[in-house]
Amino acid sequence: GQNIDQPTEMTATEGAIVQINCTYQTSGFNGLFWYQQHAGEAPTFLSYNVLDGLEEKGRFSSFLSRSKGYSYLLLKELQMKDSASYLCASRLDSNYQLIWGAGTKLIIKP
Amino acid sequence: SQTIHQWPATLVQPVGSPLSLECTVEGTSNPNLYWYRQAAGRGLQLLFYSVGIGQISSEVPQNLSASRPQDRQFILSSKKLLLSDSGFYLCAWSQGGGPPDTQYFGPGTRLTVL
Repeated sequence: GQNIDQPTEMTATEGAIVQINCTYQTSGFNGLFWYQQHAGEAPTFLSYNVLDGLEEKGRFSSFLSRSKGYSYLLLKELQMKDSASYLCASRLDSNYQLIWGAGTKLIIKP
Repeated sequence: SQTIHQWPATLVQPVGSPLSLECTVEGTSNPNLYWYRQAAGRGLQLLFYSVGIGQISSEVPQNLSASRPQDRQFILSSKKLLLSDSGFYLCAWSQGGGPPDTQYFGPGTRLTVL
């Protein structure tokens, strides 16, 4: 079967670092996406990993380990505007779909 | 650059009424198109996807249907809405003609069925 797991909610402090984990069990895995979704808005693309390792984009970094079925999104120097849900999604090589996690709601406190 | 439009932004409909949501994409050709629904506080549920005009794949059997009358137009419909159809409906596109790529979402339609 296809399954993606993320923590439901996390809390962090402004200026700190937070790591949001995502584990997947998907056959035909061919990459992992991270999206950000502010309350009441559409998801926006953050990052994509297909090879093992860390991809850095400014304050945000995403890591993938294909052998472990594991990814994380690392957010540094947290700002209040980073309060949002973070969705991970697995790309399959066999069709045009993504398998979506339920999302992690990140709450930033001053 | 590519843009994706959805309308209406919000909609309140009585149970049993019909539904038509429209999505259009600009700045690309032969995109893959998707309809998702997101219940409050939940993840994304894929409803339909299309890889070309008139080609629709349904993921969840229900009282909804989709059509793609033009290359960059995707329509979600229902003949009779149910209370359980309430949710946030999102249209997305990705680059067509090959393996799946990054999906980009429209602004969404918030549907409340009363």
